[in-house]
Amino acid sequence: DIQMTQSPSSLSASVGDRVTITCRASQDIRNDLGWYQQKPGKAPKRLIYAASSLQSGVPSRFSGSGSETEFTLTISSLQPEDFATYYCLQHNSLWTFGQGTKVEIK
Amino acid sequence: EVQLVESGGGLVKPGGSLRLSCAASGFTFINAWMSWVRQAPGKGLEWVGRIRSKTDGGTTDYAASVKGRFSISRDDSINTLYLQMNSLTTEDTAVYYCTTRYNYGSFWGQGTLVTVSS
Repeated sequence: DIQMTQSPSSLSASVGDRVTITCRASQDIRNDLGWYQQKPGKAPKRLIYAASSLQSGVPSRFSGSGSETEFTLTISSLQPEDFATYYCLQHNSLWTFGQGTKVEIK
Repeated sequence: EVQLVESGGGLVKPGGSLRLSCAASGFTFINAWMSWVRQAPGKGLEWVGRIRSKTDGGTTDYAASVKGRFSISRDDSINTLYLQMNSLTTEDTAVYYCTTRYNYGSFWGQGTLVTVSS
């Protein structure tokens, strides 16, 4: 089974900050990775697919990069509505989620 | 508009069974691979399993934590996905979501809560 290690598990940041979240896969998953945002009581929302493609309707301050085993989600300028929990998801072999990163207000 | 609506959640005793449904609309269900994902209270997302479209074999895959206890099926005539859950334990308490990827989008239902408690 493929394991996904996501870091950090939480972070505190201010509006306007640049935020980076990382996921590491236990084996090569090509670019079969998505990034999701989840707010309390809501279903996850996909932000990025195929590691670096921006989902339609998602603000351009979100970006993804990486391939094989190392992936990054970057929020270029954090906005108030971005405080949420973020997950990576690999779908190269079955599905595996990262543990999540809670982005909190500093 | 793609819609996924889960139902069937509720309170069940340990060792009991429950069947969840997910009614789909707004896309060609018969061609879609469908998955179930769950989230225990205060915890992260966990993939439960998936079913392929009939044209891709209609076969299923499961997470190790539910294999042998849970079963996913589909009725393409009424655009509905099912999750049959048997031998439930308190560890299965979670919100259960159905989800699919279609036309470069990722779609999720609102979730249904399953509580396993005596």
